[in-house]
This record gives sequence, structure tokens and C-alpha cells, in this order.
Amino acid sequence: EAAVTQSPRNKVTVTGGNVTLSCRQTNSHNYMYWYRQDTGHGLRLIHYSYGAGNLQIGDVPDGYKATRTTQEDFFLLLELASPSQTSLYFCASSAGGSNERLFFGHGTKLSVL
Amino acid sequence: QQKVQQSPESLSVPEGGMASLNCTSSDRNFQYFWWYRQHSGEGPKALMSIFSDGDKKEGRFTAHLNKASLHVSLHIRDSQPSDSALYFCAAQSGSWQLIFGSGTQLTVMP
Repeated sequence: EAAVTQSPRNKVTVTGGNVTLSCRQTNSHNYMYWYRQDTGHGLRLIHYSYGAGNLQIGDVPDGYKATRTTQEDFFLLLELASPSQTSLYFCASSAGGSNERLFFGHGTKLSVL
Repeated sequence: QQKVQQSPESLSVPEGGMASLNCTSSDRNFQYFWWYRQHSGEGPKALMSIFSDGDKKEGRFTAHLNKASLHVSLHIRDSQPSDSALYFCAAQSGSWQLIFGSGTQLTVMP
């Protein structure tokens, strides 16, 4: 089974704070993704990458930066966190292409007070 | 309006019963449809995909696709308490990106 590991599992910060969410995959997948999950909205794509050094914008990118340092590691950065960014964040990886399944991590629950 | 809409929002079925989940898309460019399942405290996990009209069966799970009406459904027979989870429908066009619906919360009552 493909493995995607996220850290931390829970994070609490204050408005205006800096937050970095980490993700590592050991699947040798090219594609990695950051999603946020909110009740009533399902999973919404923030950023994605198809290789080290590459970054693509998703559907809800405002207020987020991301960086892919290696094939395995993908980071999500919130430089000035706001309460609207309180959410459950998931990282995923896939081989890419059509009809390829995504493998998700266990998620990071972020609260911005 | 979301491109992928799921119904119902929540569903309760007795153990051993049939659960039927529905999904309708609004984009005829979608070619592949996925069902993902998320248990509480975990990340979503892919169940199955379908891209041809008709039925696709995997164990107790059957997906049905009608491209003309852009409707896909998931039927779970002999539902078990372990099937209690949030189920997402997701659609994919010729590119890679998956568009997720808002989910159906399934509860299987012992």
C-alpha cells in the first residue's frame, strides 16, 4: 500500500501566524497535492506539483504557498494565517495521468484562532 | 454551483441492507469517475473507478455510469457497520485533475 505521511496531525496557531505543513510520500509518485476539506465543500485543491521544484496552482490557492523540495517532500505554507484557513488539510500523491488513483495521508487539523 | 453534486447528504441503512449513493456532474468533459471512502480520522481511500456506461462490480460494491445523463451511482449490498464512512464521488476530465463532490455520510446500523 502506498504511503503518504503528514505532520503535524494537529496544529493550533493565532491569526497572523506562520504555519508549515509537511508531507512525505514513499511511492515514487511524480504528482503530489494539497487539499483542504470543509463540510459542505468536499475536497478542494490548493496546490499541486508534478516533480521536484515544480508548483502548480489549484482551485483555492489564495493565502497559501507550497514548495516541492524533492520527489518525496511537499510543503504547504501559510505565512499570515487567518481564521478562514481553519480546516482539515490532506496531502496526496499519484502516478499522474488519467484514471490514476490518489493516495492520501491521514490529514492535519489546523485551527487558526 | 459545484461541478460534481452528490445526494443524499446523509444516509442510514440497516446492517445487511442496500445503500445507494448518487452523483451527478455538470461537465460533459468528465471521462472518469471515482468513488472514495473516508473513515473517521483517516484520509480518503479510493474504492473504484468507472469510465464505461453500465455497471462495474467489485465485491459488494457496484458502480453504475450513465454518460448521457452524467449520472454515476454506487450501490453497496449487504452493508456492514464497517462501511459507515463519508463517501466522495470524484470526476476527472482528460487531464489529471479530480473534482470532488461534497460527500455522502453513510451510517450502517447494527
